[in-house]
Formats: sequence, structure tokens, C-alpha cells
Amino acid sequence: NAGVTQTPKFRVLKTGQSMTLLCAQDMNHEYMYWYRQDPGMGLRLIHYSVGEGTTAKGEVPDGYNVSRLKKQNFLLGLESAAPSQTSVYFCASSPAGLGQETQYFGPGTRLLVL
Amino acid sequence: DQQVKQNSPSLSVQEGRISILNCDYTNSMFDYFLWYKKYPAEGPTFLISISSIKDKNEDGRFTVFLNKSAKHLSLHIVPSQPGDSAVYFCAASGGYNDMRFGAGTRLTVKP
Repeated sequence: NAGVTQTPKFRVLKTGQSMTLLCAQDMNHEYMYWYRQDPGMGLRLIHYSVGEGTTAKGEVPDGYNVSRLKKQNFLLGLESAAPSQTSVYFCASSPAGLGQETQYFGPGTRLLVL
Repeated sequence: DQQVKQNSPSLSVQEGRISILNCDYTNSMFDYFLWYKKYPAEGPTFLISISSIKDKNEDGRFTVFLNKSAKHLSLHIVPSQPGDSAVYFCAASGGYNDMRFGAGTRLTVKP
């Protein structure tokens, strides 16, 4: 039982490049989330999904897109990376919505945009 | 607009003593509060939670206190152990898919 895994662990991008971060969970959770964490700030919700085929915007969605084609996977895409997107990205999953159940987090992806 | 604030970036305590981590919030609609613990190079892990209908919740060495009138919650760790050294995040939720996190407090427990 791996829990929540994230790929890759670290990536360097040049401004304007694109990439996709992959999150996978093996707990059969309905809900999945993408957060970013910046120095001096708490985790901020980018996008979330309440089930396969559904996605919704969180607190800071601009510049990101997501897809949930399979229940166990939640992809975060950056179409044209900007230095402001340098951050640590965490994926999480939960059996029910926020405020009802705790979340299980992946180990994070550190992204540096030059 | 930081709705959840942890005003102490760091805290250092001696092993065996009490650690008290504080958190303030501004949104009176928050009704569920959580503490997460994070070690370096790992994701946050759930520690303890409290609903707004309670003012205290205990789990072993960890106790969370909620003061709704002051919009303040605190996490007490007694006794503190070196393995408790980590970053602690306070989080608050007021809706189905709304969760706000504080910036975290780095706790160091000295042997």
C-alpha cells in the first residue's frame, strides 16, 4: 500500500516550457487535490476533483490545468511555466470532502522555473 | 488574505517539557480545524482535529484547544520528544471543499 505517490520528485523548467505532474493514490479515494506551498505561506489549493471525470478550481487555479481520467490518478499541467510557479507541489486524497475527512498527502514535487 | 495565521515561525523546547503551538483565524465560518505535521522531504501527515462544537480534543500526548470567541486554537504536546521536531501546520475548513492552511511553525525539541 503506497498511499499517495507523486512523479517527478524534482524538476527544472525554463520559462515557457510545459510539463505534467502526476499524482497516484491506491486507497480508492474519491477526492483528490493539488496544493502549492511557498515560503512563508501555507499550502494553497490549486484544483481539486470530487470524482473520476470531474475537476474544480481552488484558491489559486490560474496558470494550471488538471485532469482526472482515472479515479486513482490526478494530473496537474503547466502549459507555459513562469518563474512565479516555482514552488513545492503537494497532491492529496481523501475519502470524503474537505472538512469531513482528513487528507493523505504525497511527498511533494519541487519545481524550479528559470 | 491569510485567513489562518501561525504567528510563530519557530519554537524550541526541551525534551519532556510542554510544547504549545498557536493558530489564529479570521473567518467565523470555519467549523473544522486540523493540525498536520510535516517532516523534511515528506508530505504533511494528519495529527489531530477538532470540530467547532467542541473546545478540546485529546489524542495521547496531543491536545487541541479551540476558543471560538477568540478565533484561536492551540496544540499542546506533553511531554515533548525529539521525534516531535517537525513543521506543524494549522488548517481550517468552512465548507465542503475549502481548506485554508497557516504558514507553519517549526518545532525543535532539544534532548
